[in-house]
Amino acid sequence: DGGITQSPKYLFRKEGQNVTLSCEQNLNHDAMYWYRQDPGQGLRLIYYSQIVNDFQKGDIAEGYSVSREKKESFPLTVTSAQKNPTAFYLCASSIASTGSYEQYFGPGTRLTVT
Amino acid sequence: GQQVMQIPQYQHVQEGEDFTTYCNSSTTLSNIQWYKQRPGGHPVFLIQLVKSGEVKKQKRLTFQFGEAKKNSSLHITATQTTDVGTYFCAGDMIKAAGNKLTFGGGTRVLVKP
Repeated sequence: DGGITQSPKYLFRKEGQNVTLSCEQNLNHDAMYWYRQDPGQGLRLIYYSQIVNDFQKGDIAEGYSVSREKKESFPLTVTSAQKNPTAFYLCASSIASTGSYEQYFGPGTRLTVT
Repeated sequence: GQQVMQIPQYQHVQEGEDFTTYCNSSTTLSNIQWYKQRPGGHPVFLIQLVKSGEVKKQKRLTFQFGEAKKNSSLHITATQTTDVGTYFCAGDMIKAAGNKLTFGGGTRVLVKP
C-alpha cells in the first residue's frame, strides 16, 4: 500500500526542547516537502528537497532543520529557536522536482508545545 | 513577496445551491492546482490547470484558469454535504524552482442540510 506516513499523529513537548517529526514515503518520489498549517490558515512551506542530500529553505525555515539522507525519508526537527511551534505539520512528496506535479500529503502531525 | 489570495475565506451554502470560490495571484503562474482538505484530514489533490483560459470539469466541480494565468476559480453545482471541507488553490510561479507551490489561505465550505 503506497503512500506517505507521518508519526506520531499527536506530539506534546515542553518549551525549550527540540523535537523531530518523521516523514516516510514509499512512492519512489524524488521531491519532498514540509508545510506548516495554523488553525484556519493555508499551508506555508518550511523546507523542500529535490533530491537526496539536498534541500532548500522555504518561506518560514527559521527555527527548523531537515535532513535527506535517504530518498524515502525527510525528517523535520523543530528546534527551541522556533518561537511559536504549536501547529499542524504536513509532509508531502511529488514525483519530480522539475515541472509541475501533484503533491501527495501525509496525514500530518499535530504538535503542541507548552 | 509572491502571494496567492483566496476569497471568500468562509462559504456557508445551503445544500443544493451553487457557489464559487476565487483564487488570485500577485504574479503570473505556470500552472495552478486545487486541493481539498476534509475536516481533520490532509489536503488531497483535485486537479491541475496549465493553459490560459483552461476549463476542466469533475462531475459537479468546474475549474477555470484565467486568460492572464493570474487567477482561477472553482464552481460547485448543487452542493452536497460531502462537499464540506477547505478548498485550497496552489500556484506554481513561473521560474520557481523545485515544484514549489504557493498555497492560498483556502475557502472553508460549510453545508447546511
